[in-house]
Amino acid sequence: KQEVTQIPAALSVPEGENLVLNCSFTDSAIYNLQWFRQDPGKGLTSLLLIQSSQREQTSGRLNASLDKSSGRSTLYIAASQPGDSATYLCVFDGTSYGKLTFGQGTILTVHP
Amino acid sequence: GAGVSQSPSNKVTEKGKDVELRCDPISGHTALYWYRQSLGQGLEFLIYFQGNSAPDKSGLPSDRFSAERTGGSVSTLTIQRTQQEDSAVYLCASSLARSGGGETQYFGPGTRLLVL
Repeated sequence: KQEVTQIPAALSVPEGENLVLNCSFTDSAIYNLQWFRQDPGKGLTSLLLIQSSQREQTSGRLNASLDKSSGRSTLYIAASQPGDSATYLCVFDGTSYGKLTFGQGTILTVHP
Repeated sequence: GAGVSQSPSNKVTEKGKDVELRCDPISGHTALYWYRQSLGQGLEFLIYFQGNSAPDKSGLPSDRFSAERTGGSVSTLTIQRTQQEDSAVYLCASSLARSGGGETQYFGPGTRLLVL
């Protein structure tokens, strides 16, 4: 069974810090790796999607990398802001049709 | 355009009753997924639809759970004889047909189900 592990489970940082969220997965047969953001009462929002043929994706202050050989992905957030506070989910897609396996999430708090 | 919508947003029911949860996917999205987020369990896959057929039902936790999709659009998740452990947030997502693994899923706001 595919397992997706996220470290740390929670992170609290002052505004302006650069930070790294880590994700590891056990199955090397991957279609894509996604990072989602979950805000209370607002559902899930896809941040970045890295296809299996790619090594990283960038969007604004966010950069996600994928290392299939080691089964790891990292989400890098530059110059963190209080609005970045949310739960960040690492999501593994190992099927041809999009069956997603979610990590438990990292709860990020950025305080002013 | 409109995103994925789900109804009801909240549902409180008594143990043993049946409930129906509805999902309206984004227009044109042929793939539809149901997930469940239980306290302490994280998000788990329930069922996948491609058009009106469900090639993967492997995540449905018991035979009390069923789902259908009609007209390649609206989907209904039905839970019969609800139990307290069914309490969770039920999320629906839709996407375009897969092409090389690059299509993201768009999630609805979820239905929060509480079984008393």
